[in-house]
Amino acid sequence: DAGITQSPRYKITETGRQVTLMCHQTWSHSYMFWYRQDLGHGLRLIYYSAAADITDKGEVPDGYVVSRSKTENFPLTLESATRSQTSVYFCASSFSRGLEAFFGQGTRLTVV
Amino acid sequence: AQTVTQSQPEMSVQEAETVTLSCTYDTSESDYYLFWYKQPPSRQMILVIRQEAYKQQNATENRFSVNFQKAAKSFSLKISDSQLGDAAMYFCAYRSAGLGSSNTGKLIFGQGTTLQVKP
Repeated sequence: DAGITQSPRYKITETGRQVTLMCHQTWSHSYMFWYRQDLGHGLRLIYYSAAADITDKGEVPDGYVVSRSKTENFPLTLESATRSQTSVYFCASSFSRGLEAFFGQGTRLTVV
Repeated sequence: AQTVTQSQPEMSVQEAETVTLSCTYDTSESDYYLFWYKQPPSRQMILVIRQEAYKQQNATENRFSVNFQKAAKSFSLKISDSQLGDAAMYFCAYRSAGLGSSNTGKLIFGQGTTLQVKP
């Protein structure tokens, strides 16, 4: 399917476990982003990438790792999940800086 | 670092009336883009309107328009003839447009404003 897809849509994990959220886009967009959405904080940028093999930290990168070996994929890994990482995670992509970013449907992650 | 602030956590409007959502931002850059996104209960993020900072003319998309005040770093969204389907959370967003090595196309958002539309 064309577009940007996130998987899984819902995930429950235990404290201390490693978990990876997947993001795949079919447009060959250069830019990709990971955000977390929490009540009262809006969307906060975790990591972003301007191209394959180029990634940079956003506002809240601690506890997260990303990679971008292929243009279409941008996985987000929580190395050792904590309850504070319970959130809704959004992946987004865009072709250029001036154009809109397209968002995935989000992953609701619960850390127990 | 750039920041985006939406000072109204919640707003309400009567159906068919007009409402304005506020957004301010802070940046030292001169070249950037501003966006308003809508997030209905489905959680899907939908672009509402886009503004290039170098354009003085305010962007308009049907019932949606912006008041872009570059000197004041203000970017408000006006919704005219409000409809029940406009009820959602609205996010203001900033994106650097420069091509310098420090400008990597980061896209940052405000905290959001929840809009309630009363029938």
